[in-house]
Amino acid sequence: DIVMTQSPDSLAVSLGERATINCKSSQSVFYSSNNKNYLAWYQQKPGQSPKLIIYWAATRESGVPDRFSGSGSGTDFTLTISSLQAEDVAVYFCQQYYSSPYTFGQGTKLESK
Amino acid sequence: QVQLQESGPGLVKPSETLSLSCTVSGGSISGYSWHWIRQPPGKRLEWIGDMYSSGSTNYNPSLMNRVTISGDTSKNQFSLQLKSVTAADTAVYYCAREMFDYNGAGIGFDIWGQGTMVTVSS
Repeated sequence: DIVMTQSPDSLAVSLGERATINCKSSQSVFYSSNNKNYLAWYQQKPGQSPKLIIYWAATRESGVPDRFSGSGSGTDFTLTISSLQAEDVAVYFCQQYYSSPYTFGQGTKLESK
Repeated sequence: QVQLQESGPGLVKPSETLSLSCTVSGGSISGYSWHWIRQPPGKRLEWIGDMYSSGSTNYNPSLMNRVTISGDTSKNQFSLQLKSVTAADTAVYYCAREMFDYNGAGIGFDIWGQGTMVTVSS
């Protein structure tokens, strides 16, 4: 199985400041045949189901604010929120869907300082 | 828009079978992969398995001996059965849709149900 490891486990950022969450996979999730990284980011607010915000490591899902961006390739990935808003407080997960079984990171709890 | 709704018992006895259904509304079950994922209290999300609309299935090896995912296109539903449950199967269970682009490349799970808590206890 591909193991997904996020850092940090929790993060407190002032409103308006940048938040950065890292995700590392134990194997590459890059598909050379179509040049895509099979890595997604999800946002989960308390009492809600996860919401897809980034796929292919860097493509924003429709309707997601452009303050959210994803980067990285191969085994190292980053989710960046350029200017934290109050509504961004949530737990963020990365997920690889390169190979079965699909696996998730342990989550990063993002709070406002 | 497409919505998913899980349904099933919230309490299951140890050694019995957990059975959940996911009803797809606002769209067709055809042409997508449909997944079950669970989240035990305080733990990370765990992928259980999926079913393509053609009926082909794929399971997490850690659960393969106990899990069956099936679909009913006439009802626009797909279901999860997990046999011989123990307390370790206590979790919030989610159904989700895997979306693909026009080239067939997966983009992840774009629609999730609200989740249903299942407790295994006598």
